[in-house]
Amino acid sequence: DIVMTQTPLSLSVTPGQPASISCKSSQSLLHSDGKTYLYWYLQKPGQPPRLLIYEAFNRFSGVPNRFSGSGSGTDFTLKISRVEAEDGGVYYCMQNIQFPPITFGQGTRLEIK
Amino acid sequence: EVQLLESGGGLVQPGGSLRLSCVASRFTFGNYPMSWVRQAPGKGLEWISVISAGGDSAYYADSVKGRFTISRDNSRNTLYLQMSSLRAADSAVYYCAKRMYCTKTSCYGFDYWGQGTLVTVSS
Repeated sequence: DIVMTQTPLSLSVTPGQPASISCKSSQSLLHSDGKTYLYWYLQKPGQPPRLLIYEAFNRFSGVPNRFSGSGSGTDFTLKISRVEAEDGGVYYCMQNIQFPPITFGQGTRLEIK
Repeated sequence: EVQLLESGGGLVQPGGSLRLSCVASRFTFGNYPMSWVRQAPGKGLEWISVISAGGDSAYYADSVKGRFTISRDNSRNTLYLQMSSLRAADSAVYYCAKRMYCTKTSCYGFDYWGQGTLVTVSS
């Protein structure tokens, strides 16, 4: 199974400041078709996860452009250029290059100061 | 926008059974593989099963293999999860999730999730 490791597990950010979350996979997520099957989700309390980024760097429909994804191979980063109050919650990375199983990172809790 | 509505959760004794349902709307349900993902209280996300668009193939996480069965009725736009031999460790919110897209060889991502249904396994 591919293991996904996120760091940090929690962070506290002041509105207007940037935030960055790292996700490392135990195997490369680069497929022979040239795509990288790494996804980022945000889960707010009491809500289901919401897709933010697909294929490592593509923003999903309706996702603000302050969210960006980068990385390749086994190392990936989600960045929020300027954190807003509504960005609080738990962020998860997910790999889908190999399944079963599809695997998630442990989650990173973002607290807005 | 896509809607997914789970139901069927509740309190069940260890060793018992339960069937979850997920009714889909606002997209062509029969064109997309579907999955179940669960989240134990205060824990992270765990993928547990996926079924093809036509319902002819399915995959399971090792933690539920042999105990859970995923199925679908495309005429009713409904996804199911039959759970048996339930354990305390199966207590979780169960989400259904829509696969985002498929290539010729596989399918990828989850773009929409339901609100979830809570399953509690306890005596």
